[in-house]
Amino acid sequence: DAGVIQSPRHEVTEMGQEVTLRCKPISGHDYLFWYRQTMMRGLELLIYFNNNVPIDDSGMPEDRFSAKMPNASFSTLKIQPSEPRDSAVYFCASRAFTGELFFGEGSRLTVL
Amino acid sequence: GESVGLHLPTLSVQEGDNSIINCAYSNSASDYFIWYKQESGKGPQFIIDIRSNMDKRQGQRVTVLLNKTVKHLSLQIAATQPGDSAVYFCAENIATALIFGKGTTLSVSS
Repeated sequence: DAGVIQSPRHEVTEMGQEVTLRCKPISGHDYLFWYRQTMMRGLELLIYFNNNVPIDDSGMPEDRFSAKMPNASFSTLKIQPSEPRDSAVYFCASRAFTGELFFGEGSRLTVL
Repeated sequence: GESVGLHLPTLSVQEGDNSIINCAYSNSASDYFIWYKQESGKGPQFIIDIRSNMDKRQGQRVTVLLNKTVKHLSLQIAATQPGDSAVYFCAENIATALIFGKGTTLSVSS
C-alpha cells in the first residue's frame, strides 16, 4: 500500500489567497483525521471523519477553515482567506481497525 | 485544551544508553495510548501502543509502561542508536480521536 498521500508537500501563498490541501487515505480505513502542527501548539486535531461523515470539527480554528470528504478515497482541507498565522504543517491521517493512525508526510503551508 | 503532556521537552543520551521518555495524561477515561516517532520533515510514525487493561507492553527494543493510578505513560528505548534521534509523542484515545502531547526531542550522540 502507498500509505496516506497528501498534496501539495509545500505551498507558499500570499495572505488572502485560498489554499486547498488534499489527502488520499489508505484504502479500507474508515476514519480520516486532519491535524495541524506548529512549534507553539504541537499537533492539534482539527477535524475527523468516519465513513465520509464529519464527526467532530471542534478543532477547526475559524470559519475560514473547511473540510470535506466527498468519498472514501479523498478529502480536502480548505482555508479561505488564508492568513500568516495559518502557516504550519498540516497532516492527514487515516485509521486502521486496530486504532493505529497512519500519517501522511504533511503539507507545509507558508502564508506571506 | 490538551490533556496529554510530556515531562521534558528534550532528552540527550549517549549511543548505547537506555532512554526513558515520560508522558502524563489527565483523562481517566482514555482507554488506548500510542507512542509515535517523528523524524524531521516526515509525518509521525507508530512505535507501540497499549490498552488501558495492560500496564506493560514490549516491542523490539521498546517498552511502554502505563500507570493508571497516577495517569503516567513512559516509553523505554533500549540500547539507543543515532537513528532513534527524533521527536517522540504520546497520544491518548478520546472518543475515537487521538489527542497528542507536545513531544520530547531525543538526541543521541555517538
